[in-house]
Amino acid sequence: EAGVAQSPRYKIIEKRQSVAFWCNPISGHATLYWYQQILGQGPKLLIQFQNNGVVDDSQLPKDRFSAERLKGVDSTLKIQPAKLEDSAVYLCASTFGGREKLFFGSGTQLSVL
Amino acid sequence: GNSVTQMEGPVTLSEEAFLTINCTYTATGYPSLFWYVQYPGEGLQLLLKATKADDKGSNKGFEATYRKETTSFHLEKGSVQVSDSAVYFCALSDLTGFQKLVFGTGTRLLVSP
Repeated sequence: EAGVAQSPRYKIIEKRQSVAFWCNPISGHATLYWYQQILGQGPKLLIQFQNNGVVDDSQLPKDRFSAERLKGVDSTLKIQPAKLEDSAVYLCASTFGGREKLFFGSGTQLSVL
Repeated sequence: GNSVTQMEGPVTLSEEAFLTINCTYTATGYPSLFWYVQYPGEGLQLLLKATKADDKGSNKGFEATYRKETTSFHLEKGSVQVSDSAVYFCALSDLTGFQKLVFGTGTRLLVSP
C-alpha cells in the first residue's frame, strides 16, 4: 500500500517568510497528526485531526502556525511568519484510529535562516 | 504530564554485540509503550509495542518488556547487525480517547562491521 506522502522534502527560507507543507495520508486513515522534530529531540505533537475536525492543538503556536484538513483527507501546515527556532523536521502521520499503529511520512526538513 | 526518558547516544557497537537501550517513563495510569525506529532518510516505523504490564513486545530480533514496577521499557537485541544502524525512539500513548504519542529524544545506534 502507498505510504504517507509529504512534500516538499526540503525547504529553506529566511525568517519572517511564510512556508507551507503538504501531507497526503494513507487512504482510509481517519486520524492525521503533525509532529515537529527539532534536531536532537523527539517528535512533538503539534496538531491531531479526526477526519476534518481538530482533536488536539494544545501545542500548536497559533500565533504563527495553522493547519487544515479539508474534506478529511490531505492536510496542510503553514507557518507565517517563520522564526529561526522553527527549523526542524515536520512529520505527518496517520492511522485508522483507535489503538492502531501510526504510519509516518519521511518528513519535510525546514531550515530558517 | 506524561514523559519518556531515553539514554543518550550515540551507542557504538560492533556487529554481533549485545544491545541495550534504556527507556523509562512517567505517566498517570498504565500507558501503552512503543519503540519506533528511524532509518536514514526514512520516516519513523513501529518496531514493537506492549500494552500492559509484563507484556513483551518483539520484532526482528528486538525485544522489550513492560516493567510497571520500574516504569521501564528497555530495548534489547542479542546480536546486532550493520543494518540495525538507525535512531530508536521510545514512546508512550495514554489511554484517553484518541491515540497520542509522547516520544523520548531518541538514541542513535551505530553498528560497525
